[in-house]
Formats: sequence, structure tokens, C-alpha cells
Amino acid sequence: AQSVTQLDSQVPVFEEAPVELRCNYSSSVSVYLFWYVQYPNQGLQLLLKYLSGSTLVESINGFEAEFNKSQTSFHLRKPSVHISDTAEYFCAVDGSARQLTFGSGTQLTVLP
Amino acid sequence: DGGITQSPKYLFRKEGQNVTLSCEQNLNHDAMYWYRQDPGQGLRLIYYSQIVNDFQKGDIAEGYSVSREKKESFPLTVTSAQKNPTAFYLCASSIRGLMDMNTEAFFGQGTRLTVV
Repeated sequence: AQSVTQLDSQVPVFEEAPVELRCNYSSSVSVYLFWYVQYPNQGLQLLLKYLSGSTLVESINGFEAEFNKSQTSFHLRKPSVHISDTAEYFCAVDGSARQLTFGSGTQLTVLP
Repeated sequence: DGGITQSPKYLFRKEGQNVTLSCEQNLNHDAMYWYRQDPGQGLRLIYYSQIVNDFQKGDIAEGYSVSREKKESFPLTVTSAQKNPTAFYLCASSIRGLMDMNTEAFFGQGTRLTVV
């Protein structure tokens, strides 16, 4: 079985401050890891993914995540957030179950 | 444009009625999924299908049914047996190639179902 834990349900942060959204997973096999972003009343959009290779992956809008196998983590970071980053963020794992398992989500709110 | 289309965006039904949510994709993806989203609970898998004419129950399949008669379509029926059907429903699809390469899932815009 695989599972995903997002440790923070709400993260408020001021504009231009750094942010880290935490994600831990459990799986008995090799996994593929994803971060998705959801804006209100919309579907999910892929933010970034780790399939293999470099453990540090980046998105086009300044987010990055690092796959840490020993700590079974895939935390999402951004050095300076904008108001437009306000959204809900979901971490997901795709392992031997051949299906995505999602965490419960983290609401990021960027304050002016 | 390739993508996943869910319709309608908002749906209202009376308690005790069955209702079918539409999901169509033109991405030529083999796998399709239905998720239910409730506040604070993330996404929970209802059903998924890896190929046409085959589907499996997810974590919360009770009170739901699906069909996969065509590669492009994966409709979800919320039956009267579903105790708490009011929720946001998301459909997704992904590639499942010969080497079983895992890629990301692409999501529709969702259907918000309200049962009154």
C-alpha cells in the first residue's frame, strides 16, 4: 500500500517570503512523485514531477521540489511567493498500485 | 486542442435520483480515473479504468457505477445508494504505455454536484 501525508493543511505567508510545503510518502516500491496545484473551482494542474534522474526538479514558475529517498519526502519550496501563488497544493505518489494516491492538500495563502 | 472535458460544471439533483457525470478525453490515453474531493480530505479514488471494457473499484466505490465502452469516455453514475453525494467530482486520464511508463495525470475542470 502507498500513502501520502501533507503535514500542513494551511500555510499563510507574506508576499515575497519563502515557503515550504511538506510532503511525506510511504511505499514499498520505487515511486514517482508529483505536485499538483488547484485554483478555486477548477481541476488540478501538474506543477512538477519526479520520475527518475536528478532529485531536484523545478517548475516554470519558480517552484522546486527535492526527492529525498532516505526521508521519504518530496517537499515543495519557493524562495519568493506572489499573490497569484495562492491556491491549494496536492502531493501525489504513483507506485506499484498503478494509480495516483493524493495527500489531503495544503492551502497556501499569500498575504499582501 | 487536446484535453479532458467534464460536463456539466454544476449539477443539482433531488435526493433519491441517479445522476450521470460525463467525462470525455481526446488525448488517446488508456487510463481514466474518477476522484471525489471534499474539503480537508484531498482526493479520494472512486473508480479507475486501465483499458476499454475494464475498470476497478477505488477506495470509495460504494454507491457509484462506471462504464468504459469507448477509450474516450468514462461516465460516472452517482446512484441513490450513495449516502452523501454532494461533492466536487474530478475526472483524470493518463498514458499507460508498453513499458508502463508513469506520467502525470491530466484533469478535467470538475463537476460540482449538489443533492437537495
